[in-house]
Amino acid sequence: SAVISQKPSRDICQRGTSLTIQCQVDSQVTMMFWYRQQPGQSLTLIATANQGSEATYESGFVIDKFPISRPNLTFSTLTVSNMSPEDSSIYLCSVIPGQGNEKLFFGSGTQLSVL
Amino acid sequence: DAKTTQPPSMDCAEGRAANLPCNHSTISGNEYVYWYRQIHSQGPQYIIHGLKNNETNEMASLIITEDRKSSTLILPHATLRDTAVYYCIVRVVNAGKSTFGDGTTLTVKP
Repeated sequence: SAVISQKPSRDICQRGTSLTIQCQVDSQVTMMFWYRQQPGQSLTLIATANQGSEATYESGFVIDKFPISRPNLTFSTLTVSNMSPEDSSIYLCSVIPGQGNEKLFFGSGTQLSVL
Repeated sequence: DAKTTQPPSMDCAEGRAANLPCNHSTISGNEYVYWYRQIHSQGPQYIIHGLKNNETNEMASLIITEDRKSSTLILPHATLRDTAVYYCIVRVVNAGKSTFGDGTTLTVKP
C-alpha cells in the first residue's frame, strides 16, 4: 500500500489569492494524480503529475490556473491560483504505486473554501 | 475509459447483504473493474477489483457477468459503518488515470 500525507487538510482563503497543496507519499510511486470534488459531486481528474516534466491536464483544466509540480517520485504540489468562490472544493492527491500494485490510493484531501 | 452506470442510491438493513450493481456495457477486453468507496468526504478507499473471474477479499465480493457488461459488489453483512458512496470504475491496468462516475450512495439502516 501507499500512505499519503496531504497538507493542509483545510483552508479558508480570500478571493484572488493562491494556495499550494502538498502531497507526500511514504514510498516511490509510478503515477500521481490530482482530483477535484466539488460540493455534492463526484471526483473529477484535474491532471496527471509527471515526474520531472509538465503535468498532463484534463479537458477544462489549464496550467495557469492549476500549476503542478512533481520534483521526484514521492512528492507533488498543486497550486490553485487566483481563487474564486467557484474553486471551493475538496482537492485530492492520489497515486498508483506500480510494480505490480495497480490500486489507486488517495490522500485524505484538502477542504478549500474561498470567500 | 469505459463509462459506468450505477443507481444513485440504495438502502440496506444492518446485518443483511448489500448488493450494489454497476453497468459497464462498453468495457474493453483489457479493462478491469474496480470498486472504491468514500465515507463522508474522506479520500476514496479501494475495495476490490477483477477482470472476469469473481473475486473475494476480506471486505467484499465482486461478481462479474460472463459477458463482462455488468458487475455486482456484495457486502455480505452490512454494518452502519458501510454507509458511504460506492464508485465502480473500469480502467486498463498500467494506463493510469481513472474516471469516476456518480456512484451509489448506500445507506445502511438499523
